[in-house]
Amino acid sequence: GENVEQHPSTLSVQEGDSAVIKCTYSDSASNYFPWYKQELGKRPQLIIDIRSNVGEKKDQRIAVTLNKTAKHFSLHITETQPEDSAVYFCAASRGNQGGKLIFGQGTELSVKP
Amino acid sequence: GAGVSQSPRYKVAKRGQDVALRCDPISGHVSLFWYQQALGQGPEFLTYFQNEAQLDKSGLPSDRFFAERPEGSVSTLKIQRTQQEDSAVYLCASSSRTSGALNEQFFGPGTRLTVL
Repeated sequence: GENVEQHPSTLSVQEGDSAVIKCTYSDSASNYFPWYKQELGKRPQLIIDIRSNVGEKKDQRIAVTLNKTAKHFSLHITETQPEDSAVYFCAASRGNQGGKLIFGQGTELSVKP
Repeated sequence: GAGVSQSPRYKVAKRGQDVALRCDPISGHVSLFWYQQALGQGPEFLTYFQNEAQLDKSGLPSDRFFAERPEGSVSTLKIQRTQQEDSAVYLCASSSRTSGALNEQFFGPGTRLTVL
């Protein structure tokens, strides 16, 4: 079945360093890849997404890259700040199934001041 | 404007009880999704509505789980004869586009269900 693997499960960085989270997906028909940030006890919130017709997208300190051939995509956060500390989830979706999201297991990012 | 809301925020049930969880999507959103999030895990898809039609219920774990959206707006997820393994956060999400169009899903705050 459809599956998304996410690594690492935990990541600790110093403030100002970069953080990279990687995901692989199994369903070659997936064409939409969002990233959600979830703070403790809060709802998931979209931080960036990418569609299969582009290889990279950037929004200020956050960027996502997609390699459709290898079926993997990555989140890059530069100049990390303590407020970036949260759990990050990648997800994959096919448009023709209503857009249901298949999520990775999550990465707990800790940014130390 | 108002986001997705869910009620109750917390629910404690004794094993065997029935529970009903409510989701109010963003006004005008056509698509509505339910996900189950176990502690320390990513959300897992349960079911999907396009307006009032339940188009995908492949993620419902058993026939004890039932969802409805009779007027294409508010949705209710019902769990009958709750079991301890049903303990999780139940998330609702809505989206403004229909199947085939890829659009952001906006999540509610979730209902944390604890079955004793």
